[in-house]
Amino acid sequence: EAGVTQSPTHLIKTRGQQVTLRCSPISGHTSVYWYQQALGLGLQFLLWYDEGEERNRGNFPPRFSGRQFPNYSSELNVNALELEDSALYLCASTSVGGAPTGELFFGEGSRLTVL
Amino acid sequence: DAKTTQPPSMDCAEGRAANLPCNHSTISGNEYVYWYRQIHSQGPQYIIHGLKNNETNEMASLIITEDRKSSTLILPHATLRDTAVYYCIVRENYGQNFVFGPGTRLSVLP
Repeated sequence: EAGVTQSPTHLIKTRGQQVTLRCSPISGHTSVYWYQQALGLGLQFLLWYDEGEERNRGNFPPRFSGRQFPNYSSELNVNALELEDSALYLCASTSVGGAPTGELFFGEGSRLTVL
Repeated sequence: DAKTTQPPSMDCAEGRAANLPCNHSTISGNEYVYWYRQIHSQGPQYIIHGLKNNETNEMASLIITEDRKSSTLILPHATLRDTAVYYCIVRENYGQNFVFGPGTRLSVLP
């Protein structure tokens, strides 16, 4: 069974540009989380989608946005890129399925460098 | 904000048990304790979770104190490949975010 897949794995952008990162959850998982991890720092919660709806977002400006599609895959969009947006962006999925203790399964991330 | 506190770093000799502590003094009755680890620049990996009772799987053991205000993750025979940042997280159910704190950087030394 395929795990969580993210694309692209690496990308370089310049300040002011826009980027779209993609995430495919594990088959059967309906919930997707996005995290940002700047170099040497911990994971910062960005967004949480479940059943196609945004359920919560972290303390990030509105230029960070996303969506979840009917097949439960997800996109993270970042507009007007700034140098400090350089980070590893991690996607994770989980299965609700009535169980309250769904563990998160993470992808390997998309490493964004903003020049 | 993370609801847990962990030491920033620990060392462990290869082949010895690694005991990683976590304080979660404000944990509520319905919140589970999760442990994840992140090996350099990879996505975090689930290790184990528990509510009240001690838990064991093929990777580790989780010891939760009776008052549930702290827990310890035990890697019984640490190897060099266990060098990673270990995160302790408390969460009630899927309806809540996983909030990652800074974790403990475990270095397994030869």
